[in-house]
Amino acid sequence: DADVTQTPRNRITKTGKRIMLECSQTKGHDRMYWYRQDPGLGLQLIYYSFDVKDINKGEISDGYSVSRQAQAKFSLSLESAIPNQTALYFCATSDSQREQQFFGPGTRLTVL
Amino acid sequence: GENVEQHPSTLSVQEGDSAVIKCTYSDSASNYFPWYKQELGKRPQLIIDIRSNVGEKKDQRIAVTLNKTAKHFSLHITETQPEDSAVYFCAASNPYNQGGKLIFGQGTELSVKP
Repeated sequence: DADVTQTPRNRITKTGKRIMLECSQTKGHDRMYWYRQDPGLGLQLIYYSFDVKDINKGEISDGYSVSRQAQAKFSLSLESAIPNQTALYFCATSDSQREQQFFGPGTRLTVL
Repeated sequence: GENVEQHPSTLSVQEGDSAVIKCTYSDSASNYFPWYKQELGKRPQLIIDIRSNVGEKKDQRIAVTLNKTAKHFSLHITETQPEDSAVYFCAASNPYNQGGKLIFGQGTELSVKP
């Protein structure tokens, strides 16, 4: 869905580095989510935000932080990356009236 | 909290056959159940969803059934085609639990052999 974009699409970094993944959407949705996908483990929710002033932890928030800079932008940070944070990261959006979530193209992160 | 179990983890069928993927959920207050298809290297795409006030929903070759009493729901794909090969995820949400966040199953890798 071209209305939800993520940057970068691929990133290789080293242990201990700070990394920021960015998500932007033009769908006008108020809700935004960050998920992590590991092989065989499905999609796990890291953080979610229902509006600019509302940030909530998901199932696996340890080691991550987020910022909702505007309704259309939601960024995910790894303060000090570690190898087991190597994964595929997806941003998603939805609006408060309908529960359907729309995913961005994903960011493949490798921590060496 | 909600827990969603999905079976099988892999499924192989011949082209033209039907495929069925099953999910169970633990939170009886969950009321929204979407299914996503994820092709290799791509993002998950919503293919069908159902709410707890209906028992079945169809969209061409895809159907979803819901049994609220047993707390399980299933995805049915008829007349499978090679392009149906992908990983399929079910999910459930409870609007009264943290705003209705989705809890996903572990995924089913469907392979349709020509």
